[in-house]
Amino acid sequence: GENVEQHPSTLSVQEGDSAVIKCTYSDSASNYFPWYKQELGKRPQLIIDIRSNVGEKKDQRIAVTLNKTAKHFSLHITETQPEDSAVYFCAARSGGSYIPTFGRGTSLIVHP
Amino acid sequence: DAGVIQSPRHEVTEMGQEVTLRCKPISGHNSLFWYRQTMMRGLELLIYFNNNVPIDDSGMPEDRFSAKMPNASFSTLKIQPSEPRDSAVYFCASSWEGGELFFGEGSRLTVL
Repeated sequence: GENVEQHPSTLSVQEGDSAVIKCTYSDSASNYFPWYKQELGKRPQLIIDIRSNVGEKKDQRIAVTLNKTAKHFSLHITETQPEDSAVYFCAARSGGSYIPTFGRGTSLIVHP
Repeated sequence: DAGVIQSPRHEVTEMGQEVTLRCKPISGHNSLFWYRQTMMRGLELLIYFNNNVPIDDSGMPEDRFSAKMPNASFSTLKIQPSEPRDSAVYFCASSWEGGELFFGEGSRLTVL
């Protein structure tokens, strides 16, 4: 089955800095890579996703890149703000399955 | 739609008692997931239903856990008998055809 590794487990940045979270996956058949944000005490919510036919996708201050050859994908947050503080989960899903495999999560702390 | 609805939001029970968690998925979604979240293990998939049929229950810890989906609008996760190590937040999520997962607000279970 699919295995998703996520790093770092904790990331601390100053407000205004950039943050990068990296994930690797094992199943070369995976073709859908969503990212979820979970604020403290809340539910995970999708913030951005990318499919395997695209190398990069941006949405305002967040972007995701995908390297299919190396089987890794990354979340980039620019100009971080305190409200970006949360746990971020990456996931990978094979085209033959409806089940995403989640990484262990990254706790992002943005200091004002 | 009101989103995925879970109940109860909080449950405190004593070891050995039966616990039933409930979930109402988003109308029209054909996939339903039960996840368990703990600090140690992150987001663990317990069971996945597609069109009300259990497809993957490999994540169900042991025979003490059972899940049902009698119709498209209702699912239950039952733990009998409960143990302190079952303490966690249990999330239900639904999706349509492998798309974005919509999570409920979670049920926080404490077993004393």
